Amino acid sequence: QVQLQESGPGLVKPSEPLSLTCTVSGGSISSYYWSWIRQPAGKGLEWIGRIYSSGSTNYNSSLKSRVTMSVDTSKNQFSLKLSSVTAADTAVYYCARTHRGGSLDYWGQGTLVTVSS
Amino acid sequence: DIQMTQSPSSLSASVGDRVTITCQASQDITNYLNWYQQKPGKAPKLLIYDASNLETGVPSRFSGSGSGTDFTFTISSLQPEDIATYFCQQYDNLPFTFGPGTKVDIK
Repeated sequence: QVQLQESGPGLVKPSEPLSLTCTVSGGSISSYYWSWIRQPAGKGLEWIGRIYSSGSTNYNSSLKSRVTMSVDTSKNQFSLKLSSVTAADTAVYYCARTHRGGSLDYWGQGTLVTVSS
Repeated sequence: DIQMTQSPSSLSASVGDRVTITCQASQDITNYLNWYQQKPGKAPKLLIYDASNLETGVPSRFSGSGSGTDFTFTISSLQPEDIATYFCQQYDNLPFTFGPGTKVDIK
């Protein structure tokens, strides 16, 4: 059974970068796309972007200038970096496997990131 | 970006009732439409993919239909454990986009 686990700081200061890592267990990171999605408290879901195991990326244009994703196949991990954060970036951040083109079939439990000084 | 709308935004129904949620895309997405269930404090769970295919292990009381711009999600007999928010998601075009969600509770 594939499992995903997000890790990273729960508190980030405004204007600093947000960095999260997703560790995949129970399966290989190879030959799949892996996505990041976020959800502000009480609100809907926003797809941030995806990375293929080869390192190819697609980002949401709403965040594109601030997002960088990377993958480390040797560790079965992929990462998200969001630069210059503001309070509007406060959300639960999820990582998920992207299957069949766009179905998010396995999700991490989510990690709350709060942007505050 | 493709905009997704859902209706209703919330509903209350009795155990055993048939529940229907609709999702509309701002342009033709053929059948590239998924449905997710999210319980409070939990990650979303994929229930239906490609508009009408039941994900492995999902109870058969859940179903989906539609193509083009109009889609329907149905719970044939509402159970107490179905209390959740349901989201549709398109993946015809990047970025993937989600509907705003429909909150389902028990009357």
